[in-house]
Amino acid sequence: EVQLVQSGAEVKKPGESLKISCKASGYRFDNYWVGWVRQLPGKGPEWMGIIYPGDSDTRYSPSFQGQVTISADTSTNTAYLQWSSLKASDTATYYCARLPGDFLRVPFDYWGQGTRVTVSS
Amino acid sequence: EIVLTQSPGTLSLSPGERATLSCRASQSVRSNYLAWYQQRPGQAPRLLIYGASSRASDIPDRFSGSGSGADFTLTISRLEPEDFAMYYCQQYGSSLGLTFGGGTKVEI
Repeated sequence: EVQLVQSGAEVKKPGESLKISCKASGYRFDNYWVGWVRQLPGKGPEWMGIIYPGDSDTRYSPSFQGQVTISADTSTNTAYLQWSSLKASDTATYYCARLPGDFLRVPFDYWGQGTRVTVSS
Repeated sequence: EIVLTQSPGTLSLSPGERATLSCRASQSVRSNYLAWYQQRPGQAPRLLIYGASSRASDIPDRFSGSGSGADFTLTISRLEPEDFAMYYCQQYGSSLGLTFGGGTKVEI
């Protein structure tokens, strides 16, 4: 069974760093793209970026380029999303999700349960 | 980027009724790479439709998708209580990036 299990909720202060995780199981992790999606409270999802763990090929949405870093560790089947300096506007729920095929040809099929990030002074 | 506009913002219906949701793109969606997701409160999105009209695994046949180019529709033929939720369209074919619509809430 394919599963994506994300790390727990975080409460941080502006300017702090953060790395959240998404652990995959039930499939060959290095053969499928894993993406990250932000959802602001009461809003629609926004695609942030995506990584192919097999060769670490990473693509970012222009809106998030330079704001976050996406990485993956094939030894632990885990994808990561990190910030070096959080802002209050980063308060949102973040989802990881898997692509069952080529990037720009298939939609996300499996999703993690979401990680709620709250940034407040 | 391709902007997706969903309408209506809210659809107020009763169980057993038919729901018709619209998704309009700012430009033609390559190869009709358009998906629909359902999201219940506190849950992750769930894939319903891909390629504009193909149902994802284990999705009941009361859900159907249609359309091409820049105009797409999700139809729920007879609403069940569990269908009252948010629905989002997404295009996944543009080299400028993946985008989602703003959503339609189907409420009782």
